[in-house]
Amino acid sequence: QVQLVESGGGVVQPGRSLRLSCAASGFSFSTYVMHWVRQAPGKGLEWVTVISSDGGTKYYADSVKGRFTISRDNSKNTLYLQVNTLRVEDTAVYYCARAIRDPEEYWGQGTLVTVSS
Amino acid sequence: DIVMTQTPLSSPVTLGQPASISCRSSQSLVDSDGNTHLSWLQQRPGQPPRLLIYKISNRLSGVPDRFSGSGAGTDFTLKISRVEAEDVGVYYCMQATHYPYTFGQGTKLEIK
Repeated sequence: QVQLVESGGGVVQPGRSLRLSCAASGFSFSTYVMHWVRQAPGKGLEWVTVISSDGGTKYYADSVKGRFTISRDNSKNTLYLQVNTLRVEDTAVYYCARAIRDPEEYWGQGTLVTVSS
Repeated sequence: DIVMTQTPLSSPVTLGQPASISCRSSQSLVDSDGNTHLSWLQQRPGQPPRLLIYKISNRLSGVPDRFSGSGAGTDFTLKISRVEAEDVGVYYCMQATHYPYTFGQGTKLEIK
């Protein structure tokens, strides 16, 4: 069955970096657009970034542009999010998700990133 | 960026009664192919979101037919014909026509 399993979250100080990973299984990962969406504690959903199936096209939310980088390794069925220069306001659960506007959408359970000194 | 505005933000509903959530976008969501990528998502407590409806009115497989979506242009509505206990959660509209995708603030559906 389809699975998306995020990892790499944790507690980090402001200004530091993390790399989040999302391991995909149960489907043909290399054929799907993949997204990262985040949710601050007790708040709503915020779309963060997207990457095309071949990795050649990427878009970012203005709030993370220049600090976050999405990438993928189709040979490893893994999606990544490099998060640099972290801010307190980046504290959130980060979800990876497949094709979120289509009937084939699927979301992972999320990984919590806490930015605190 | 396109702003998505949902009303109400909270909706206490009696079991078996209908519920309705409105969503307005700050600009048209019609793309160059004539498609309108307006989706509705449900997030139950402690769970990731899940897509209920895409392109205004198309229910995903497995979504009960008491959920329906309607609208056009910049005004959209999600209706639940008869609320059941399992419908408790937060509902989001999302525009997926233009990057960056944007969500409404969320509407918390709770039982009276």
